[in-house]
Amino acid sequence: AQSVAQPEDQVNVAEGNPLTVKCTYSVSGNPYLFWYVQYPNRGLQFLLKYITGDNLVKGSYGFEAEFNKSQTSFHLKKPSALVSDSALYFCAVRDIWSGAGSYQLTFGKGTKLSVIP
Amino acid sequence: EAQVTQNPRYLITVTGKKLTVTCSQNMNHEYMSWYRQDPGLGLRQIYYSMNVEVTDKGDVPEGYKVSRKEKRNFPLILESPSPNQTSLYFCASSRVGWSNQPQHFGDGTRLSIL
Repeated sequence: AQSVAQPEDQVNVAEGNPLTVKCTYSVSGNPYLFWYVQYPNRGLQFLLKYITGDNLVKGSYGFEAEFNKSQTSFHLKKPSALVSDSALYFCAVRDIWSGAGSYQLTFGKGTKLSVIP
Repeated sequence: EAQVTQNPRYLITVTGKKLTVTCSQNMNHEYMSWYRQDPGLGLRQIYYSMNVEVTDKGDVPEGYKVSRKEKRNFPLILESPSPNQTSLYFCASSRVGWSNQPQHFGDGTRLSIL
């Protein structure tokens, strides 16, 4: 079984400050990890993914995420937050050993990011 | 433009009145999936399809039906909706054979069952 935990329901950060949105995962094998963002009245938009290789992954809109296998974490980061980054963020995991027929993504419950001007 | 299109975007209806939410994608993706999003619960998978005529249950399939007669379409059917199916629904698609590819999401359908 695969699972994802986002321990913070909400994160508040001042504009211009660095932001971190936390995610930990559990899989039987090796993970594919994803971050998605959801703006009001919109679907989820893909931000970045970790497949293999470099533990620091860069994505859209200046976001990056750091994969830490020993801590089973995949935290989302941005060096300088913008008001327009305010949205709901979802971490998701897929176990690459879950079988050729399984493309199931398991999502966390989401973290609401509020960037304060 | 590559997109997943859901209709309707909003629907208010009454208990027991059959409804269908349509989903269509123009990316020739084999994999399609339906999720529901509820506050505090994140996204939970209802049904998914690996290809035409191949569908399977997700985590919360009770009260829902799907069909996949064409590659581009994956409608979600509520035969006898109940108030506990009031939720925000998302359709998503992706390629098969590349499980590291992200899913593409529609803009969602907000259903209210009275």
